[in-house]
Amino acid sequence: QVQLQESGPGLVKTSETLSLTCSVSGGSINRKYWSWIRQPPGKGLEWIGYVYSNGGAGYNPSLRSRVTISVDSSKEQFSLTLHSVTAADTAVYYCASNEVAGTFFGYFQHWAQGTLVTVAS
Amino acid sequence: DIVMTQSPDSLAVSLGERATINCKSSQNVLNSSTNKSYLAWYQQIPGQPPKLLISWASARESGVPDRFSGSGSGTDFTLTISSLQAEDVAVYYCQQFYVTPLTFGGGTKVEIK
Repeated sequence: QVQLQESGPGLVKTSETLSLTCSVSGGSINRKYWSWIRQPPGKGLEWIGYVYSNGGAGYNPSLRSRVTISVDSSKEQFSLTLHSVTAADTAVYYCASNEVAGTFFGYFQHWAQGTLVTVAS
Repeated sequence: DIVMTQSPDSLAVSLGERATINCKSSQNVLNSSTNKSYLAWYQQIPGQPPKLLISWASARESGVPDRFSGSGSGTDFTLTISSLQAEDVAVYYCQQFYVTPLTFGGGTKVEIK
């Protein structure tokens, strides 16, 4: 059973860069797609983007200019970087994945617990 | 982007009664060659991440109680809880995975009457 765990700072200053890492255990990172999803407090879910184990990535156009998702297969980790953050980026950030290998089916069986990132000056 | 619209925003149902949640997509999410609708349902209990209940509009995940069922095709979908239990109090989201960007409905809050 795949388990996911995020790590990273819970507070980021306005205009700076948000960086989170998701560690994968209980399964291989290889040949799978890995996503980031966020949820502002009291609001709904927004898909940020995905990365494949070979490094190929896809992003939500609403965030594409500011976001990078990368993978380090040797560490069984993938990461989210979001530049020039504002208060609107305050949210619980989840990493998530699907069981299917080799094909991107964008529904998520596995979710990390989520980490609240607050953007403040 | 495909817009997912859920209704109602909230509903209160008596224990043991049926709860029905609707989800409408702004575009067709049915792949005509496979006859599969790219639609998932999640349950989110406060303080927890979403939990996948149903994929492909009607395929229940392993371990999900059979009181949860999904139906629909194309643009109109329904999640039904046949006999509401106390542990079903949560917010429920639909999500399309037909195209990127993946998009979610706004959520339906289910409470006990």
